[in-house]
Amino acid sequence: QSVLTQPPSASGTPGQRVTISCSGSTTDIGSNSVNWYQQFPGTAPKLLIYSNDQRPSGVPDRFFGSKSGTSASLAISGLQSEDEADYYCATWDDIPNGVVFGGGTKVTVL
Amino acid sequence: QVQLVQSGADVRKPGASVKVSCKTSGYPFTDNYIHWVRQAPGQGLEWMGRVNPKSGSTNIAQKFQGRVTMTRDTSISTAYMELSSLTSDDTAVYFCARRRNLLPDYWGQGTLVTVSS
Repeated sequence: QSVLTQPPSASGTPGQRVTISCSGSTTDIGSNSVNWYQQFPGTAPKLLIYSNDQRPSGVPDRFFGSKSGTSASLAISGLQSEDEADYYCATWDDIPNGVVFGGGTKVTVL
Repeated sequence: QVQLVQSGADVRKPGASVKVSCKTSGYPFTDNYIHWVRQAPGQGLEWMGRVNPKSGSTNIAQKFQGRVTMTRDTSISTAYMELSSLTSDDTAVYFCARRRNLLPDYWGQGTLVTVSS
């Protein structure tokens, strides 16, 4: 069971907006910044969002991260077929001092 | 560009140990900690611990304490993760990742470790 809670799945049609939630606690999301990763089958995770809402170079601005209190969200606007992947949130947990991940959300483009 | 290249897939018997390497390039090796994360088949990501390449100090997740050793060789910019007393539950893809602002940014390609008799 993961420390951070994500919905197991999300879906939308091309062009729609999809939002993925990530719920934590005061010692993890409430105290530290959140990253989001995108993972395709058989490949390594790729950094999608860092420091809650920052996009690395090359990540389309269709991906938007936000954080409020002990929760974070990833929004994908203008959904495209190539966005079909697993998405994970992650943060640092002050107790017991380590990285914690969400269980992952599989995004399906209908 | 930043790259982390891991050793190849491995098959081990129950009770054995496995050592995975992670060779880095494209940045000063001692500037960033290295995280180790694993992913069992069809499952999510699980943090195992981190190593400070400069000092060699480690922070191992409680679940793996006593079974995991994380080391590094600064002369070849390489980090290592050794897991002992393997069981079938340790069958997974093991990733190394560079740390930035506490969390992973660049990841290695992953190493599949299969534990089977």
